[in-house]
Amino acid sequence: SAVISQKPSRDICQRGTSLTIQCQVDSQVTMMFWYRQQPGQSLTLIATANQGSEATYESGFVIDKFPISRPNLTFSTLTVSNMSPEDSSIYLCSATPGRAEAFFGQGTRLTVV
Amino acid sequence: AQSVTQLGSHVSVSEGALVLLRCNYSSSVPPYLFWYVQYPNQGLQLLLKYTTGATLVKGINGFEAEFKKSETSFHLTKPSAHMSDAAEYFCAVSATGNTPLVFGKGTRLSVIA
Repeated sequence: SAVISQKPSRDICQRGTSLTIQCQVDSQVTMMFWYRQQPGQSLTLIATANQGSEATYESGFVIDKFPISRPNLTFSTLTVSNMSPEDSSIYLCSATPGRAEAFFGQGTRLTVV
Repeated sequence: AQSVTQLGSHVSVSEGALVLLRCNYSSSVPPYLFWYVQYPNQGLQLLLKYTTGATLVKGINGFEAEFKKSETSFHLTKPSAHMSDAAEYFCAVSATGNTPLVFGKGTRLSVIA
C-alpha cells in the first residue's frame, strides 16, 4: 500500500492569486496523477507527472494554468494559477506504486472568492 | 479510449436491504476495474479491484463485485446495507496498472433507517 500526504487540506484564496498544492508519497513511484473534482462531480484527470520530464496534460488543461513539478520519485506539486471562482474544486493527487492499485491523497478543497 | 457509465446518480436503500450499484465500462483492452468510496470531505478509498483471475471480487466492508466481460459490467453489491455505507461511490477503469483512472460520474448511496 501507499500513504499519500497532500497539503493544504483546504484553502480560501482571492481571485487572481496562485496556490501550490503539495503531494508526498511514502514510497517511490514512477507516475503521479492530478485530478480535479468540481462540486458534485466526478474526478477529471488534469495531468500525469513523470519524474524527470514535463507533465502530460489532458485536453482542456494547460501548463500555464496548472504548472506541475515532479522533482523526485516521491513528491509533486500542482499550482493553480491566476485563480477564478471557476477553479473552486477539490484537487487530488494519486499514485500507483505497482500492483494496479491507485492511492489518493485526502484532497485539497479550494475555494476562490 | 475507455469510459465508465454508472447507472443512477442516486440510490436509496433501507438499512438491511441489498445494495446494488451498477457500472458498465468500455475498453479496447482487457480492463482493470475499480470501485472507490468517498465519504463527505474525504479522499477516495479503494473498495475493491479486478485485474485478472477470479471474476468475483471481494472487497472491504462486505462489498463485492463481479466482472462480466460479456455484459461489460462490474456491478457492486452488498447483501445488507448499513447506515455507515452512505457515501459517494465511483467506478473506474484503467488500461494497465500504471495508467490513470477514468471515473464514472458517481452514485450517491443513501441508507434509510
